[in-house]
Amino acid sequence: GQNIDQPTEMTATEGAIVQINCTYQTSGFNGLFWYQQHAGEAPTFLSYNVLDGLEEKGRFSSFLSRSKGYSYLLLKELQMKDSASYLCAAPPRGFQKLVFGTGTRLLVSP
Amino acid sequence: NAGVTQTPKFQVLKTGQSMTLQCAQDMNHEYMSWYRQDPGMGLRLIHYSVGAGITDQGEVPNGYNVSRSTTEDFPLRLLSAAPSQTSVYFCASTEQGALSGNTIYFGEGSWLTVV
Repeated sequence: GQNIDQPTEMTATEGAIVQINCTYQTSGFNGLFWYQQHAGEAPTFLSYNVLDGLEEKGRFSSFLSRSKGYSYLLLKELQMKDSASYLCAAPPRGFQKLVFGTGTRLLVSP
Repeated sequence: NAGVTQTPKFQVLKTGQSMTLQCAQDMNHEYMSWYRQDPGMGLRLIHYSVGAGITDQGEVPNGYNVSRSTTEDFPLRLLSAAPSQTSVYFCASTEQGALSGNTIYFGEGSWLTVV
């Protein structure tokens, strides 16, 4: 099958740093996406990693290790508005569709 | 500045009724898809299309039909609604498909309840 795993829920404090992990089958996927989804809204694009390493984009960074089937999303200087679900997703090799993990619900408290 | 437009936003159906969720995009994207999102299950692919006249099944296609007669439109039909189809439905489009790494644009979602 095509499995993507991520924690169900995480909590953090405003101003802190949080890392959301995502693991997937190494033989299956080309690259990895991260999406943010606020409650009651559509997902919005955050990042796409196709090569190993860290990509930084403002307060958000995303890391990929293809050999380990592992990615993480790093959120710095957390703000209350970062409370949302974070979805990792990947296209199975050779397919133009996207398989999503179940999402990690992040709760940022004051 | 429309992007991906899907309608209706909310719908209540009785078991056995049929209905169509409409989806249209104005970005000339080749690739369109329909997802459903349920608590604890994440987004699951129902059907997708790589261009006008071409459709294919996703992970959970049973009970749904799609067609792609134009590049812009990708309607999703529920043939005979069942309570298990109560869900939030998202239409999405992208320029060249997931393998290219292009951003996927989602519609605002359709909340469907089948009673």
